[in-house]
Amino acid sequence: AQSVTQLDSHVSVSEGTPVLLRCNYSSSYSPSLFWYVQHPNKGLQLLLKYTSAATLVKGINGFEAEFKKSETSFHLTKPSAHMSDAAEYFCVVSIPRIMTTDSWGKLQFGAGTQVVVTP
Amino acid sequence: DVKVTQSSRYLVKRTGEKVFLECVQDMDHENMFWYRQDPGLGLRLIYFSYDVKMKEKGDIPEGYSVSREKKERFSLILESASTNQTSMYLCASLGADTQYFGPGTRLTVL
Repeated sequence: AQSVTQLDSHVSVSEGTPVLLRCNYSSSYSPSLFWYVQHPNKGLQLLLKYTSAATLVKGINGFEAEFKKSETSFHLTKPSAHMSDAAEYFCVVSIPRIMTTDSWGKLQFGAGTQVVVTP
Repeated sequence: DVKVTQSSRYLVKRTGEKVFLECVQDMDHENMFWYRQDPGLGLRLIYFSYDVKMKEKGDIPEGYSVSREKKERFSLILESASTNQTSMYLCASLGADTQYFGPGTRLTVL
């Protein structure tokens, strides 16, 4: 079984300060992990993904995430928030393609973290 | 770029109506998915399809059915819409290891 927990439902930051969005996961397999972002009235956009290569993953728009197996975490960070970062962020776990199960490719989403950026 | 399109951005239907939500992808992907998104619950998987005419139930299939007659098109059907099916519906298709999402259909059932 796999699950993902986003530890904060809302995060408020000032423009120019760091952003930290926390995510913990559990998985019976070596997981693939993703962060998606959803701006208001838009679809989901992939920010970055971890698929068993480097543990520090860099994504678009200056975001990065670090996979820590010992802590079962995949926290998302950005050194300096921008107003355009205001959105909802989802941490997602997936069974990777190499696993031969009938659940291949299925995603488990966290409940989401709403990010507010103040001037 | 992968493109996933959904037939409507906004839809308003009445209780008991049959509702069709269409999704089309242009990348020849085999796997396609339908989710619903509700505040505080994230996305929940309704159905997915791993080939033409093949389908599997997701986590919340009750009240829904799907159709996959062509590889590029995956339809979600609400046989008899109810107010608790008011939600945002998102379609996705699976590339090598990444799901690509459509813009969503916001369905309101009155």
